[in-house]
Amino acid sequence: DTGVSQDPRHKITKRGQNVTFRCDPISEHNRLYWYRQTLGQGPEFLTYFQNEAQLEKSRLLSDRFSAERPKGSFSTLEIQRTEQGDSAMYLCASSARPGWGSDSGANVLTFGAGSRLTVL
Amino acid sequence: GQQVMQIPQYQHVQEGEDFTTYCNSSTTLSNIQWYKQRPGGHPVFLIQLVKSGEVKKQKRLTFQFGEAKKNSSLHITATQTTDVGTYFCARTDYGGSQGNLIFGKGTKLSVKP
Repeated sequence: DTGVSQDPRHKITKRGQNVTFRCDPISEHNRLYWYRQTLGQGPEFLTYFQNEAQLEKSRLLSDRFSAERPKGSFSTLEIQRTEQGDSAMYLCASSARPGWGSDSGANVLTFGAGSRLTVL
Repeated sequence: GQQVMQIPQYQHVQEGEDFTTYCNSSTTLSNIQWYKQRPGGHPVFLIQLVKSGEVKKQKRLTFQFGEAKKNSSLHITATQTTDVGTYFCARTDYGGSQGNLIFGKGTKLSVKP
């Protein structure tokens, strides 16, 4: 297993176009996360899945954003009608489901290299 | 979930000098994680702290969790150019379905050789 893979690494699009990013997590991990990162900021949570179920979505995620993980393996993040403010690095991460107990080493994220979106 | 606050935002040091970054929360944390992101790279997990007053070491890096579990620090002894990057602390957000990590804005470290 080569870690978390993201595709494409870079995407340049015109405002108003739709874009889709794909993430392949570590195969043993059942949790998958999407984060967004802009220059000089920390990763900003967007959404996460446990297996195929989308368990949480950030309030920051507008209705132009949709994520799926149909078979509990890879995930896609689609942005419709892109805006210049959507320009950012979109990071995918995966983790094993946290165990019970405070010292279980739970929820450690392994990030992919990211997909950089530029909206012109 | 409430974000953790990190200070300083930037730190420039001469190679060989020590470096410390602080992570603060207004609420009690169940645990705290630290990640490092090299320039042009992605965040990479360094350590997780769980217990009150916990101290963990990784070579020149020392991580501490406060007694009240509201703050944490990362200290690097005798910095090297390989330490360059942004260091993030992250807290687990149990406010939703118990899962996501909330990251601070990070401390960007530059090391002058």
